Amino acid sequence: ILNVEQSPQSLHVQEGDSTNFTCSFPSSNFYALHWYRWETAKSPEALFVMTLNGDEKKKGRISATLNTKEGYSYLYIKGSQPEDSATYLCAFDASGTYKYIFGTGTRLKVLA
Amino acid sequence: KAGVTQTPRYLIKTRGQQVTLSCSPISGHRSVSWYQQTPGQGLQFLFEYFSETQRNKGNFPGRFSGRQFSNSRSEMNVSTLELGDSALYLCASSLAGTGITDTQYFGPGTRLTVL
Repeated sequence: ILNVEQSPQSLHVQEGDSTNFTCSFPSSNFYALHWYRWETAKSPEALFVMTLNGDEKKKGRISATLNTKEGYSYLYIKGSQPEDSATYLCAFDASGTYKYIFGTGTRLKVLA
Repeated sequence: KAGVTQTPRYLIKTRGQQVTLSCSPISGHRSVSWYQQTPGQGLQFLFEYFSETQRNKGNFPGRFSGRQFSNSRSEMNVSTLELGDSALYLCASSLAGTGITDTQYFGPGTRLTVL
């Protein structure tokens, strides 16, 4: 059974702090790794799709890195703002289909 | 461009009943996937439809079924509801042209409660 784990499960940071969280996935049969942001009462929103070992993607203050050989991806948020408060999900795609395996997410709360 | 819509947003059913949920994808999107989220679990893949055909299926019992219409709208059906089917059901659409790294766009979900 393929397992995707995210850590930490939740965290609180102060406005302006930088933070990062981890997504661990099986290192074999890798096709793609997706990151989503899911704000309360909204729909999950795609942040990044990462396909190559060593990939680094950036969107504003948020960036992500990928290591397929060791099976992990990091998501970084620089200078956290209250509007960054959300659950961040990663989804592992082993087969190039939409049969993603999602982690349970990291719930981020940014305190003003 | 209108986003993915799901109806109804909330639903209460009793055990043994059946339920049908609807998903309208973004215009031009041909792939629709369905996911279930229960407390403490990540999103779990139910199935994916593309051009009216089920292309992929997750590990759910046969009580969970779906279909897709020629306009790409999709429905999922759960028969003989059980308490454990209480969950948030999300659908997501994508172009699903070349390359499965298409971005999926999620709807707001249907919250199903089974009493």
